[in-house]
Amino acid sequence: DAGITQSPRHKVTETGTPVTLRCHQTENHRYMYWYRQDPGHGLRLIHYSYGVKDTDKGEVSDGYSVSRSKTEDFLLTLESATSSQTSVYFCAIRDSSYEQYFGPGTRLTVT
Amino acid sequence: AQSVTQLGSHVSVSEGALVLLRCNYSSSVPPYLFWYVQYPNQGLQLLLKYTTGATLVKGINGFEAEFKKSETSFHLTKPSAHMSDAAEYFCAVTPDSGGSYIPTFGRGTSLIVHP
Repeated sequence: DAGITQSPRHKVTETGTPVTLRCHQTENHRYMYWYRQDPGHGLRLIHYSYGVKDTDKGEVSDGYSVSRSKTEDFLLTLESATSSQTSVYFCAIRDSSYEQYFGPGTRLTVT
Repeated sequence: AQSVTQLGSHVSVSEGALVLLRCNYSSSVPPYLFWYVQYPNQGLQLLLKYTTGATLVKGINGFEAEFKKSETSFHLTKPSAHMSDAAEYFCAVTPDSGGSYIPTFGRGTSLIVHP
């Protein structure tokens, strides 16, 4: 299995609070991605990174920010969580053949 | 711009029957094509991929898919369904140029296998 982990695996938080999700890889891959998965919508890209301190927005980036200060870590922050951000969040890395490897996911509930 | 359409949010088959999950894409440049599988409460894992070369691609667990450029399709098949195949399946396309190589995923097809 590709070395990719996510923390926490589950989180319940209140509306308006900040939340940070962490993705950690041991594969030294350049590209990392954050997705959210919701019923009927499949996977939607939030942000991605193509190197340390190099990030860009995906299709559903409003309300989210990211940071990548080290190759192995990619953080996703919800500045002020809303109920619409209740979802399952997946991190992924990509190898040179464009194959993606996904983490186990973080189930976030915003009450 | 690229898009992926998976026909049918749910597909139901009997154990031992043929599995056919449909995927059509649009892409302005030659694509790389992928099928991923997601079992309950897990992340996605690669079933198979097409990048270049032979258009019939074989993957894990007896699945295969054929890239048909003229039909812009990449349908997933398996001759005989097994109960353990019940899962969510996602088709994805990545452009073979443009710099960012951002993949686009279909909305997924849930495969239900009846005994």
